Amino acid sequence: ETGVTQTPRHLVMGMTNKKSLKCEQHLGHNAMYWYKQSAKKPLELMFVYSLEERVENNSVPSRFSPECPNSSHLFLHLHTLQPEDSALYLCASSQDLNLNYGYTFGSGTRLTVV
Amino acid sequence: AQSVTQPDIHITVSEGASLELRCNYSYGATPYLFWYVQSPGQGLQLLLKYFSGDTLVQGIKGFEAEFKRSQSSFNLRKPSVHWSDAAEYFCAVGASTGGFKTIFGAGTRLFVKA
Repeated sequence: ETGVTQTPRHLVMGMTNKKSLKCEQHLGHNAMYWYKQSAKKPLELMFVYSLEERVENNSVPSRFSPECPNSSHLFLHLHTLQPEDSALYLCASSQDLNLNYGYTFGSGTRLTVV
Repeated sequence: AQSVTQPDIHITVSEGASLELRCNYSYGATPYLFWYVQSPGQGLQLLLKYFSGDTLVQGIKGFEAEFKRSQSSFNLRKPSVHWSDAAEYFCAVGASTGGFKTIFGAGTRLFVKA
């Protein structure tokens, strides 16, 4: 399978639940990213990983916890979320952190917090 | 810090007509510039990128963009729009300073009428 795959595509969770979003890429890329896309707002960078090390944490609340066990997989663990966390969460990858490569995005996980 | 402005929230063009989507950026040096497209329910797909060389860059799906340093612009163009081009378009800028961030504009929604 090529490209960036995100699961699940849709997720509804209560504010007291714990869930995880999964991202997988088989492009041989070394950098992976989590973005949040909310209605009528620009994409917000959440986390950046390079070679499984976190290199950027963009003032994201601790109820979001990323994990990168290897260069092909990225998780976003969710707990005690708020309704305002409802959004499309996009995973992306790039060859490395050099900005000239551009990103390959997954289709996203549509998260609804009730 | 770098920033990106897409002045048009939405644009409607007739099928077969030409298209220009505007993008202005703010950055002190030559930035890395990108255009992405997002179809409903999907992630973002890279259309084209610029970081040096010829200021007119060709991308996929018949799109092109022109970097104009004097105007701090990177407008996206297509000579003849197809109904399948209806989507949301995002301009993005990456800078070699300030970390590993690529900043996205708020997007322009393109509607195509028959």
